[in-house]
Amino acid sequence: KQEVTQIPAALSVPEGENLVLNCSFTDSAIYNLQWFRQDPGKGLTSLLLIQSSQREQTSGRLNASLDKSSGRSTLYIAASQPGDSATYLCAVCSGAGSYQLTFGKGTKLSVIP
Amino acid sequence: NAGVTQTPKFQVLKTGQSMTLQCAQDMNHNSMYWYRQDPGMGLRLIYYSASEGTTDKGEVPNGYNVSRLNKREFSLRLESAAPSQTSVYFCASSPQGAIYEQYFGPGTRLTVT
Repeated sequence: KQEVTQIPAALSVPEGENLVLNCSFTDSAIYNLQWFRQDPGKGLTSLLLIQSSQREQTSGRLNASLDKSSGRSTLYIAASQPGDSATYLCAVCSGAGSYQLTFGKGTKLSVIP
Repeated sequence: NAGVTQTPKFQVLKTGQSMTLQCAQDMNHNSMYWYRQDPGMGLRLIYYSASEGTTDKGEVPNGYNVSRLNKREFSLRLESAAPSQTSVYFCASSPQGAIYEQYFGPGTRLTVT
């Protein structure tokens, strides 16, 4: 059974700092990995999707990497802003035909002005 | 283009009552999913529909039924609600296939007393 772990559970940084969020998964037989953002009381917003054949994806100040063989992904956020404060969720896609997502419990990020 | 919509946004039920959560998407996606999110547990898949006319169980299907009414709509029914079903329910959709990301609705917050 696929298990996804995110470390740390919570992170507080001053504005402007670069930061890294970590995600690990137990079964390397994945199709892709997605990073989401969730604001309090809201739904999930997709940030980046990395296919299993890719090593990284970039969108603006965000960069996600994937090392499938070691079961790890990182989300790098450059020059953090207070508006980046949210919970960040990592999810891996596996399961032939169903493409089910297995989620980590998230990292709650607070960026202090 | 509304994306994924869910109704209702909030609901309070008494133990033993039934209700149906509605989900619709306007992106012409083949696959649709129902997840629940509980504190400390992360999001877990309840049921999914890989394509119109098919439904399958996810990780936590007990106590729920689903109907893929047409390509746009996927409903989740609680026949006899229990306090353990107090949760936030999210519907998601994606084009069929592992290369595509999932898009989430805003969620339904359900409390069973």
